[in-house]
Amino acid sequence: RKEVEQDPGPFNVPEGATVAFNCTYSNSASQSFFWYRQDCRKEPKLLMSVYSSGNEDGRFTAQLNRASQYISLLIRDSKLSDSATYLCVVNIGPGSNYQLIWGAGTKLIIKP
Amino acid sequence: NAGVMQNPRHLVRRRGQEARLRCSPMKGHSHVYWYRQLPEEGLKFMVYLQKENIIDESGMPKERFSAEFPKEGPSILRIQQVVRGDSAAYFCASSPDRAGGYTFGSGTRLTVV
Repeated sequence: RKEVEQDPGPFNVPEGATVAFNCTYSNSASQSFFWYRQDCRKEPKLLMSVYSSGNEDGRFTAQLNRASQYISLLIRDSKLSDSATYLCVVNIGPGSNYQLIWGAGTKLIIKP
Repeated sequence: NAGVMQNPRHLVRRRGQEARLRCSPMKGHSHVYWYRQLPEEGLKFMVYLQKENIIDESGMPKERFSAEFPKEGPSILRIQQVVRGDSAAYFCASSPDRAGGYTFGSGTRLTVV
């Protein structure tokens, strides 16, 4: 089992729709969680950190479920510019030198 | 604040040559990470360094690859005797501490011909 798993997609979604992805992680000691966005042939950029209480930033909402070991990202009112690959990232903590473990990404395509 | 600077953006090397990739972290960041991304694949961790120290090199190939982060100057990822399979995007990231999110540079795209 991979340490961080994501559905690779692609998710083909009409503009204006709501879309959600999940990401599961295997290490119960994981301490911090992030969603990054990567556009084609560009560097990953931090989209948002994921807090235990859940957090929202405009059209984006992130949730953490420690019991089931997954995090989620919800995008409301999707825009064409949301088309990208969304990377789930987990920080294992001191036991692994705080190494970030990266999912392979979920590809999202927003269609007009 | 200039962000993470990587150079060159594109590097072409013939098989057997050496490739040197440079990364200057964000101001105030002392933690540097190198990642490799093959076409259509996810990021693969290579090495984590702090000033003058290699903290974790568990993702580095055992041969031909080395990394350093000297007291002065940028971090360097060095690939000796490159082969076609080394062709990839190499991203550097930096962070102010070990637990937070990273800021990435724009990457160096290495092509081995």
